[in-house]
Amino acid sequence: NAGVTQTPKFQVLKTGQSMTLQCAQDMNHNSMYWYRQDPGMGLRLIYYSASEGTTDKGEVPNGYNVSRLNKREFSLRLESAAPSQTSVYFCASNKQGGQNTEAFFGQGTRLTVV
Amino acid sequence: EDQVTQSPEALRLQEGESSSLNCSYTVSGLRGLFWYRQDPGKGPEFLFTLYSAGEEKEKERLKATLTKKESFLHITAPKPEDSATYLCAVPHWGSARQLTFGSGTQLTVLP
Repeated sequence: NAGVTQTPKFQVLKTGQSMTLQCAQDMNHNSMYWYRQDPGMGLRLIYYSASEGTTDKGEVPNGYNVSRLNKREFSLRLESAAPSQTSVYFCASNKQGGQNTEAFFGQGTRLTVV
Repeated sequence: EDQVTQSPEALRLQEGESSSLNCSYTVSGLRGLFWYRQDPGKGPEFLFTLYSAGEEKEKERLKATLTKKESFLHITAPKPEDSATYLCAVPHWGSARQLTFGSGTQLTVLP
């Protein structure tokens, strides 16, 4: 099983450029998540999708948009990248929220905005 | 507001030297506490879930315990391959689907 697959693994953007981070899972999970990880700050939730067709804001949603394309895929879009969005982005999925929140993470996308 | 604090930030051990990592939390009604391991350049990997005070779980050289205010990850006779960053997390007070993560303890085990 591939688990959670993210593309690309690395990306450099200029300020103001846009891009979409792709995420796909093959575990038939209902819920999917986008986190960012910054030094000394831990993982912070950007957006999540509890089930196909729904999306909700997390702790740090400003400057991002998401699309739950189908049950397998959940994309994160930066419309106008800013240096403050330089970070490592992780996609995760799990069967459902609540008590059963063991999440599986992708390998991450390292994004640098110059 | 939920808070998760991990200590120490970094820990260096000799191979075989046992120790403990701490995760203290303040949440409005604990609905579980999760431990993850993260290797450099990779995503976190799930280790344990604990749901109630007094609960313990073990996996190889790791044992996680939970009290009403903190959790410990005990590492017995560690090996160099145990070197990683260990993260703990609790479900957000507003939505159990959201996890609040601590900033992690970076463990280095020297041969």
